[in-house]
Amino acid sequence: EVQLVESGGGLVKPGGSLRLSCAASGFTFSHYNMNWVRQAPGKGLEWVSYISSGGTYTYYADSLKGRFTISRDNAKNSLYLQMNSLRADDTAVYYCAREYCNSNSCYSAFDYWGQGTLVTVSS
Amino acid sequence: QPVLTQSPSASASLGASVKLTCTLSSGHRTNAIAWHQQQPEKGPQYLMKINSDGSHNKGDGIPDRFSGSSSGAERYLTISSLQSEDEGDYYCQTWDTGIRVFGGGTKLIVL
Repeated sequence: EVQLVESGGGLVKPGGSLRLSCAASGFTFSHYNMNWVRQAPGKGLEWVSYISSGGTYTYYADSLKGRFTISRDNAKNSLYLQMNSLRADDTAVYYCAREYCNSNSCYSAFDYWGQGTLVTVSS
Repeated sequence: QPVLTQSPSASASLGASVKLTCTLSSGHRTNAIAWHQQQPEKGPQYLMKINSDGSHNKGDGIPDRFSGSSSGAERYLTISSLQSEDEGDYYCQTWDTGIRVFGGGTKLIVL
């Protein structure tokens, strides 16, 4: 069974930093591209960042302006999001999500999601 | 970059059918999209991918009541025999090199 379990959320002051983790199990993690997606309270889903299966390629939402860094450790089946210079509008539930891939094709639909971890930025 | 447009809300009666629409922006009319369901207080769940020709690939365990189709720039999710647990938010998602995009979501109310 595919499982994605996020951790590392919590309360942080404006300007602070936080590192989120996503532990993957039930599939060969190193074969899959991964993403972070966030959802502010009462709002819709917002894509945050992407990393390729081997970690070579990374993409970010323009709104982040270089404050966030995505990374992965395939030996530990883990995905990370380092968040710096946090602001109140970064308050959200953060989800990790896997992109679809099988022996025939891969595409960028998110086929499995974690349950999310809440990040609250407040003084 | 692609933009996805969804109606903010929809409603239908228990046991009836509903068709949700996701519209792709100009220049991205041939994009495939994915539909995701988010029940209240839960994380999103993948429903299916829909190609521009209307073919679709469902996620694991998604009931036959959920189906997808396509026409021009529009991608549809049809839910038949509506059940109370179908109430929630529905998001479409697409992608391009270097970017992933969500629509604003449609809140489905089952009457």
